[in-house]
Parts: sequence; structure tokens; C-alpha cells
Amino acid sequence: NAGVMQNPRHLVRRRGQEARLRCSPMKGHSHVYWYRQLPEEGLKFMVYLQKENIIDESGMPKERFSAEFPKEGPSILRIQQVVRGDSAAYFCASSPPNSRLAGFSEQYFGPGTRLTVT
Amino acid sequence: GEDVEQSLFLSVREGDSSVINCTYTDSSSTYLYWYKQEPGAGLQLLTYIFSNMDMKQDQRLTVLLNKKDKHLSLRIADTQTGDSAIYFCAENEMTTDSWGKLQFGAGTQVVVTP
Repeated sequence: NAGVMQNPRHLVRRRGQEARLRCSPMKGHSHVYWYRQLPEEGLKFMVYLQKENIIDESGMPKERFSAEFPKEGPSILRIQQVVRGDSAAYFCASSPPNSRLAGFSEQYFGPGTRLTVT
Repeated sequence: GEDVEQSLFLSVREGDSSVINCTYTDSSSTYLYWYKQEPGAGLQLLTYIFSNMDMKQDQRLTVLLNKKDKHLSLRIADTQTGDSAIYFCAENEMTTDSWGKLQFGAGTQVVVTP
């Protein structure tokens, strides 16, 4: 059973370009979470999605950032018109369908995409 | 300020015990977690503890929870060079939608020296 897969692992973009980060959850997982890790900081929650639904996007910047998890295919985190401050590691995590029960958050993390904006 | 705080660095000799400390603020947290991040890799769940427990032991790992002081610690016995990594403490923040949003500390870099 493959783990959470993210691609690309490294992405370089010039200021003003678009960045697309992909996440394939573990087999059987229907919940996806995106986190951002700035240098020497912990992970900050961005968005929580289920298939075709955004459940919680309270950590997502209001502009330039969007996320989707379509019925078929990977989850996509899209950053338009990137700026230097977007340089970070972006991690995706997934969890099984019943993992919200009793408050336990069973999240499995991918290896991350390291975005560098030049 | 941060909801979850950790010391940033710990140096330990191979074979000694490591103790990593964490404080958190959300008294409604139901679960607290320890994750390990090796260089260039994602986070790996090491262990977790339910908030009505004081202690949990799992092989070389011991988690202690002081709910009154909102203090969590992770002890690694007989520390090995493979334990060198960044260790993150995380708590659940229960949202209005009743899902457990993870709040992470900044991580403790553990360096194991021979």
C-alpha cells in the first residue's frame, strides 16, 4: 500500500508564475489536508478537503491560493502569481473515512513539495 | 503567540535518554501527538496520548502528560543515531465542525552524538 504521494518534490517558480502542487492520498483515504512549513517553523494548517468538498479552509490565504480534491484524480493546491514569501515546504496528509470519530486525527503525511520562488 | 511551544534544540549522547518537552494552550484537546521528521521527509506519527491518560509507553518511547500544567513530554530511552530528527508536538483543536485540526509546535531538533 503506497503512502501519500506528492509531486513534484521540488518546484522552482519565478515571481508572478503559477505553482500547482499535487497530492495523491493513501488508497482508501477520502480526506486530504494541506499544511505549509516555513523555514524553522512548525506546520501550519491551510485547508481540509473531502472528495469534491472543502470542509475547512480557515488557514488558507484569501487571495491567490486555492485547493480542490476532485472525484477522480489527485488533490491540487494552486498558488497564483507566486511571491517570495510563498517559498516553503507544502505537505499533504490524508486520513481514512472514519478518522474523525472521537476527535482522533489520524493523518498520514506525504514527503512534501519544496517550493522556491526566485 | 504560538499555541504549542517547544524548545528548539536538544543534543544528546548515544545511549543516553532524550526528553523533549512541549506546552500547549487548548484545554479541550482530546489527543496530543508526537511526530518525527527526518531530513527531506514528511512527518511520521510516532505516538499519541488521549487526554485522560497520564502516561503511555511504547517500546523506547514514553509519553507523559500533565493536563493541569498543559505539559507534554516525550522520553526516548537508549537514544540512537537514527533518532536524530526534528520532533513535533501537536494538539487537536476541536472545531465547530467537530473535526480535530492539528496545531503543531515549531519542532525540536534532536542531534545524537556518538
